Amino acid sequence: SQQGEEDPQALSIQEGENATMNCSYKTSINNLQWYRQNSGRGLVHLILIRSNEREKHSGRLRVTLDTSKKSSSLLITASRAADTASYFCATDAHETSGSRLTFGEGTQLTVNP
Amino acid sequence: GAVVSQHPSRVICKSGTSVKIECRSLDFQATTMFWYRQFPKKSLMLMATSNEGSKATYEQGVEKDKFLINHASLTLSTLTVTSAHPEDSSFYICSALTGAWDEQYFGPGTRLTVT
Repeated sequence: SQQGEEDPQALSIQEGENATMNCSYKTSINNLQWYRQNSGRGLVHLILIRSNEREKHSGRLRVTLDTSKKSSSLLITASRAADTASYFCATDAHETSGSRLTFGEGTQLTVNP
Repeated sequence: GAVVSQHPSRVICKSGTSVKIECRSLDFQATTMFWYRQFPKKSLMLMATSNEGSKATYEQGVEKDKFLINHASLTLSTLTVTSAHPEDSSFYICSALTGAWDEQYFGPGTRLTVT
């Protein structure tokens, strides 16, 4: 398995519903970050959670981190059609320096209007 | 927030030619930039770490002579795909660190198609 595996690979929901995506990793980390990518575009940074934090909020986003289980979740509440995108988690591993990120395979979220 | 640009956004070239992609930090100085490659519907794969004024550090399996990286200034890093082949066709994305070592700012990506 690779660092930063995500599930589900694809998620389709109706507008207004909540979307939950999960990410698991294998090594110790300094922080874990979530990014969004619209089709054919660059990445947009959503939120960073440090290894000593358990939960973080930003608008409609809620991220949790469980270092004992080496997992994180991203919750998007009251989803909108504009949230349709691929979502990636990325880990900044503890043993590396210079913020080298390892990305998960991503979750393709489709929010149907 | 910090802005990173890439040029060109799309490029089509013939097999055997070389292509240069630029990554610029527009409103900050970036001592470190990263180059990623992304295949369709796949994740980003780190190719190399580019430090201003020094040689790039390549990830295992990435050919240094194939993917030339130059980070000549604090705002510009270039990736040159030499003697491109169709299998080099991909989406190339750069990112830059502001120096806080926490957050990378990503460029919009360059779509390379080698015919």
